[in-house]
Amino acid sequence: DARVTQTPRHKVTEMGQEVTMRCQPILGHNTVFWYRQTMMQGLELLAYFRNRAPLDDSGMPKDRFSAEMPDATLATLKIQPSEPRDSAVYFCASGLGLVRETQYFGPGTRLLVL
Amino acid sequence: GESVGLHLPTLSVQEGDNSIINCAYSNSASDYFIWYKQESGKGPQFIIDIRSNMDKRQGQRVTVLLNKTVKHLSLQIAATQPGDSAVYFCAEKAGNQFYFGTGTSLTVIP
Repeated sequence: DARVTQTPRHKVTEMGQEVTMRCQPILGHNTVFWYRQTMMQGLELLAYFRNRAPLDDSGMPKDRFSAEMPDATLATLKIQPSEPRDSAVYFCASGLGLVRETQYFGPGTRLLVL
Repeated sequence: GESVGLHLPTLSVQEGDNSIINCAYSNSASDYFIWYKQESGKGPQFIIDIRSNMDKRQGQRVTVLLNKTVKHLSLQIAATQPGDSAVYFCAEKAGNQFYFGTGTSLTVIP
């Protein structure tokens, strides 16, 4: 049963600290998405990659957020420095892109910045 | 930005009845639409999708209807079961961007 995995599942940190979230997409999927979900804003697309190249990151605050895909099995989302307003659930999703646009979501990383 | 809004934030239905969840979108350029189900503490789960060249698509117990004239999307769930209780999101794709609605909370009453 292939699924997207995310680590850590929960993270509590203090304002100013660096936070790194990791995602392992489903093997064979060529698109990876990062989303943020809050009660106030709902689900927001931060960035996404196709074949490891960033396709769109217009939803991501550039000054403190960065997203990378070091290889096809790992995507990272980094926040440096973190702020309390970054507290949210961060979801990674993967898909087959042009073949089929369905996205398969991971369980999320619940981030709390104090 | 674009808006994807849901008409009703909550919906309660009796077990066995049909459910209809509605969604309005605003971008005429959107060409692909998706419905997701999200249970508490979990990530969104794909339910069904539809492209803008179609107006209806059926899955197992679910049907999505697309009315491009009024920019309206609906999800119909037949014979709603307690396991259907969740938050349902619609999403639209325009170009490289995906936009999600805030969600409708469906509660199934046994």
